[in-house]
Amino acid sequence: AQSVAQPEDQVNVAEGNPLTVKCTYSVSGNPYLFWYVQYPNRGLQFLLKYITGDNLVKGSYGFEAEFNKSQTSFHLKKPSALVSDSALYFCAVRDTGRRALTFGSGTRLQVQP
Amino acid sequence: DAGVIQSPRHEVTEMGQEVTLRCKPISGHDYLFWYRQTMMRGLELLIYFNNNVPIDDSGMPEDRFSAKMPNASFSTLKIQPSEPRDSAVYFCASSFPLAGGNEQFFGPGTRLTVL
Repeated sequence: AQSVAQPEDQVNVAEGNPLTVKCTYSVSGNPYLFWYVQYPNRGLQFLLKYITGDNLVKGSYGFEAEFNKSQTSFHLKKPSALVSDSALYFCAVRDTGRRALTFGSGTRLQVQP
Repeated sequence: DAGVIQSPRHEVTEMGQEVTLRCKPISGHDYLFWYRQTMMRGLELLIYFNNNVPIDDSGMPEDRFSAKMPNASFSTLKIQPSEPRDSAVYFCASSFPLAGGNEQFFGPGTRLTVL
């Protein structure tokens, strides 16, 4: 069975500082990995994905994520946080043999001015 | 494209009533997913369809829940009878074929409150 762990319920960072939101996964085959963001009273919005290739994936709004196969991690990063980045972030995984995504529990990012 | 469309956006009903949630996927997408989001359980997959056929309904909580997709542009999720523990936000999502790792596009959700 595939699973995703987001160990932090909340991450606090000052505006302008770099941010990291952690994600680890478990799948039986090769993983497809995704990050989504959810703003209040909105649906999930796709940020970026890793399918294959370069371990560093760049996505929307200046976010990037690093795939680390040996550590089974896919941490979300941004060099300089904005107050508008404050939202709920979800990591998700799918292995090549299954169609549905499994989502983590979510991490609330709070960027302070 | 208008994206995934869900209706209603908010639904308040009384215990025992039938509730029907509706979804229109993005045109050309042949996968459709129904999710439920609660504070306690997070985001859970209920069921998904491929080319209008239900593929995996193992996440459907119990027989009170049913989902249909009569054509490529419409799906419903029905709860009958509804219970207070069904209160949640229900999301519909659609996707191109997933063989290439295509992402899912989510609708705005339906916030269901069962009194």
